[in-house]
Amino acid sequence: AQTVTQSQPEMSVQEAETVTLSCTYDTSESNYYLFWYKQPPSRQMILVIRQEAYKQQNATENRFSVNFQKAAKSFSLKISDSQLGDTAMYFCAFMIDTGNQFYFGTGTSLTVIP
Amino acid sequence: AAGVIQSPRHLIKEKRETATLKCYPIPRHDTVYWYQQGPGQDPQFLISFYEKMQSDKGSIPDRFSAQQFSDYHSELNMSSLELGDSALYFCASSPTGLTEAFFGQGTRLTVV
Repeated sequence: AQTVTQSQPEMSVQEAETVTLSCTYDTSESNYYLFWYKQPPSRQMILVIRQEAYKQQNATENRFSVNFQKAAKSFSLKISDSQLGDTAMYFCAFMIDTGNQFYFGTGTSLTVIP
Repeated sequence: AAGVIQSPRHLIKEKRETATLKCYPIPRHDTVYWYQQGPGQDPQFLISFYEKMQSDKGSIPDRFSAQQFSDYHSELNMSSLELGDSALYFCASSPTGLTEAFFGQGTRLTVV
């Protein structure tokens, strides 16, 4: 069975500061993909960043980067230069290479404080 | 760019009624996923389709059924609605060879 754990239900950060959201997962599979999705108040699910497990290099998308530790099964999201528009619920998600469903964590509610 | 289209955006039904939610995936996307997200909850996987065949099934009640049609759009049919079915229902699609889901804006179902 695959599980995704986000141990921080709520976090806050000052505007322009950096924040890191934690995610751990459990799987016996070797080929899989990890994602961070953002869900703002509009409740639209927006893909923030994606990481292939076979890639050692951490994914980066502008102000968003991940720290992927495969051995530790850890996949944290770092948001640099936080902006008010980053305020949202952030979900860590996982999919195995041959799978047909995404497994979501319980989410971290991030508030960026002006 | 075209996105995943869900209709209706909002739906209010009474208990024991039936609801049909529609999802139009991004063109050339052959996989569709359905998720249910209750208030303050993480998305729960219901069902997925690949090339018009059911490919995986999650915690979908027997009262619910879904299918993917020849034009790749999908419909989620929900019967004997219960108050607990009130939720945001997401559809997502992905193309072959890319493990990434693009989500629609969701259908907010309220059962009264």
